[in-house]
Amino acid sequence: QQQVKQSPQSLIVQKGGISIINCAYENTAFDYFPWYQQFPGKGPALLIAIRPDVSEKKEGRFTISFNKSAKQFSLHIMDSQPGDSATYFCAASWGNTPLVFGKGTRLSVIA
Amino acid sequence: GAVVSQHPSRVICKSGTSVKIECRSLDFQATTMFWYRQFPKQSLMLMATSNEGSKATYEQGVEKDKFLINHASLTLSTLTVTSAHPEDSSFYICSARDRDSISHYGYTFGSGTRLTVV
Repeated sequence: QQQVKQSPQSLIVQKGGISIINCAYENTAFDYFPWYQQFPGKGPALLIAIRPDVSEKKEGRFTISFNKSAKQFSLHIMDSQPGDSATYFCAASWGNTPLVFGKGTRLSVIA
Repeated sequence: GAVVSQHPSRVICKSGTSVKIECRSLDFQATTMFWYRQFPKQSLMLMATSNEGSKATYEQGVEKDKFLINHASLTLSTLTVTSAHPEDSSFYICSARDRDSISHYGYTFGSGTRLTVV
């Protein structure tokens, strides 16, 4: 049973454009929603995270939008750059439980 | 920030041998460590959760006798793949949770270990 559904599977964006990745969850106990960036052969690195008490969080070019009623959250990458090309995973957890990951989105930013 | 050191980064072993992967929290004490497995172009799949000083909790379908996890101290956890076979070839990643983290921002990942069994 997949607890976090992520879309799209892959995404191609022009340099300077906006990349948008969406995730949906079902477990209302989740209270921590991070996004991870992973380059080939490397472990995932935390990009940005949000808790359900806020609807949006921005850090530099990265923004998380959170819709608690819809049980959805999304990652927006503004002014996408070729260096942003990577696989992005959304995740969720609550309490001391391990992170549950989405299936990942392979982002390619082309010049 | 919190750093988790994972070694080795790559290992090739012969079928039937055992391989040990180490995961160390360098500047914090990790009460809980998680071990994930990742196949090419797939997501991270949780294998087990280990708490310092106690037995690991394995996810359904993960063989406890094949994937031995030891979390003997607050800074070190090891995963031993016993009697490795080619189907065990994968990317293994550890994650440590900071005991003193006051928020959920305490999940830190290692850089992963690429295991190839020949």
